[in-house]
Parts: sequence; C-alpha cells; structure tokens
Amino acid sequence: DIQLTQSPSTLSASVGDRVTITCRASQTLSTWLAWYQQKPGKAPKLLIYRASSLESGVPSRFSGSGSGTEFTLTISSLQPDDFATYYCQQYNSYTLTFGGGTKVEIK
Amino acid sequence: QVLLVESGGGVVQPGRSLRLSCAASGFTFNNHAMHWVRQAPGKGLEWVAVTSYDGTYKYYADSAKGRFTIYRDKSRSTLFLQMTGLRGDDTAVYYCARAPESGYDPIYFDHWGQGTLVTVSS
Repeated sequence: DIQLTQSPSTLSASVGDRVTITCRASQTLSTWLAWYQQKPGKAPKLLIYRASSLESGVPSRFSGSGSGTEFTLTISSLQPDDFATYYCQQYNSYTLTFGGGTKVEIK
Repeated sequence: QVLLVESGGGVVQPGRSLRLSCAASGFTFNNHAMHWVRQAPGKGLEWVAVTSYDGTYKYYADSAKGRFTIYRDKSRSTLFLQMTGLRGDDTAVYYCARAPESGYDPIYFDHWGQGTLVTVSS
C-alpha cells in the first residue's frame, strides 16, 4: 500500500497567516491526490482533487500543488472557519490511503 | 442537493454481525461508484470498500476482506455494508462517500454522509 506522510501533524497559526501543509507519498502518484478538511464531529469535506483542482464552492484561499511524491496544501490567509484537521488522500491505486492528518490550531 | 444518510450503527459484541445502510438522494445513484470509509475514535481516516455504479466491481481494504461485504440496491438508492466477525478494532464512525464517477478506478470522494458509529464491545 502507498503510505502518505503529512507534516506537520499540528500547526499553530493566527488569522491572516499563510499556512502550508505537506504530504509525501511512498510511491509516485502523478497528480492523483486529494485534500479534505474535517471539523470535530463532522464528515470530511473535499477541498482539492488532482493535486491542484479546486472543488466547486471552496474558497480560492485554498490551493494545492505538487506531483510525483511531494504535495502541498496552502491556505493563503487563514480565516476563523479554517481551524480544522486536514487530510491528504491518494487515488493512484487501491488500497486508497490517507495521510495521518494535520490539525490547524489557533495560536 | 446530494444527501447521504447512514444508519445501522450501534453497540455489538465481538464476533457478531451488523449491517450498515446509506440512503442516497439528490443525485442519480446508479451513475456513481460508492465507498465506505471509517474513522476510529480520535484517529485518522481509513478506506474500507468500494462498489462500482452497477455493483459489478468491488474492492476491499485488507482489514475488511473476507469479513465485510459492500453492495447496493439501485431500486432503493441505498448502499450497504454487511459486517461479520466484528472485532474491537472495527470500532469507528463509518461514512459512506460518493465517487464523482461511475467506474471502479481509484478515485476521491466528493460527498460524504454524516457517519454512523459502530462500537464493538462485550
């Protein structure tokens, strides 16, 4: 199975900060990577697919980049609603796998 | 709007069985592959199983193979997960999730249900 390693596992930031989360894959994924946001007690929400395509309705402050084995999710200006846990997910091959998550906390 | 509503969770003893349901509405159910994804308390996300739009193709995580069966009823627009031989490490919130496409190729999830909690405990 393809392993996804997210870093950092926890991130403390302030409103207005630029935030970057990294996802590294154990094998090349091309651009078959998605990002999700999850708030406590809620289902995950799709943000980005194919590494850099923004899902409809997702604010443009979210962006994704990367290919191969290294990917990033960037929030250009952190908003109060963005404090949550973020997961990457590969869909290059079965078994579909997720990163361990990055919790974005208020500094 | 797309709506996925899971049900069937609860407390079950180790070794017993449970069937989860996911009622879909707001889209053409037969045009989409469907998945189950689970999340143990305080842990990350784990993909469990997928069925293609017509139920022809199914894939399972190693943790589910031989114990779980995913299937769908197109007449009721409902997805199911039959779980047998339940173990303590199956304790999790189980989400059904929609694929944006019909096929069985690896894909992401564009809509999720709210989840149903399964607790395996004696």
